[in-house]
Amino acid sequence: NAGVTQTPKFQVLKTGQSMTLQCAQDMNHEYMSWYRQDPGMGLRLIHYSVGAGITDQGEVPNGYNVSRSTTEDFPLRLLSAAPSQTSVYFCASSIGVSGELFFGEGSRLTVL
Amino acid sequence: GESVGLHLPTLSVQEGDNSIINCAYSNSASDYFIWYKQESGKGPQFIIDIRSNMDKRQGQRVTVLLNKTVKHLSLQIAATQPGDSAVYFCAEEGRRALTFGSGTRLQVQP
Repeated sequence: NAGVTQTPKFQVLKTGQSMTLQCAQDMNHEYMSWYRQDPGMGLRLIHYSVGAGITDQGEVPNGYNVSRSTTEDFPLRLLSAAPSQTSVYFCASSIGVSGELFFGEGSRLTVL
Repeated sequence: GESVGLHLPTLSVQEGDNSIINCAYSNSASDYFIWYKQESGKGPQFIIDIRSNMDKRQGQRVTVLLNKTVKHLSLQIAATQPGDSAVYFCAEEGRRALTFGSGTRLQVQP
């Protein structure tokens, strides 16, 4: 049982480059979300989705795009990377908004 | 390992002692609260949850206490073990997502 799978685990980008962080879950969860984690700041919500075809902004959405074409996948796109986007990114899923969130192992991104 | 939590408050306990980790939440209308454990280099893992119609809930070696009057949540870990060393986050349910606290690092001394 894979749960929530994130790729890549590590990535280094130059300022201005774009990339996509992949997230897939095999639990048939409707709700998926992306968080970033910075030292001393806990987890902050970037974007979330309550089902295929539906996405919405979280607390810190600027500089990121998401799409939800299938129930399983929820990729996070960085359009033009900035050093302020250096962080650890976590994808999570749950049956609904309320309830246990299952997290991936994280993707550590460094923007030079 | 994970560099998260360089400036986190830290609780240091002796192996076998009980640990109490505290959390203040912001929204008096929140109905659902969760504690997560995050080990170095890993994603957060669910420990225990509680709804606002309860003031206490027990799991295996863990107890969550909810004081709605002062908007305070605590996690008690009985007989703390080295494997309990991690960062612990409380989270409250918002309209659209969970809102996480900044975390507390628990260090268990052998």
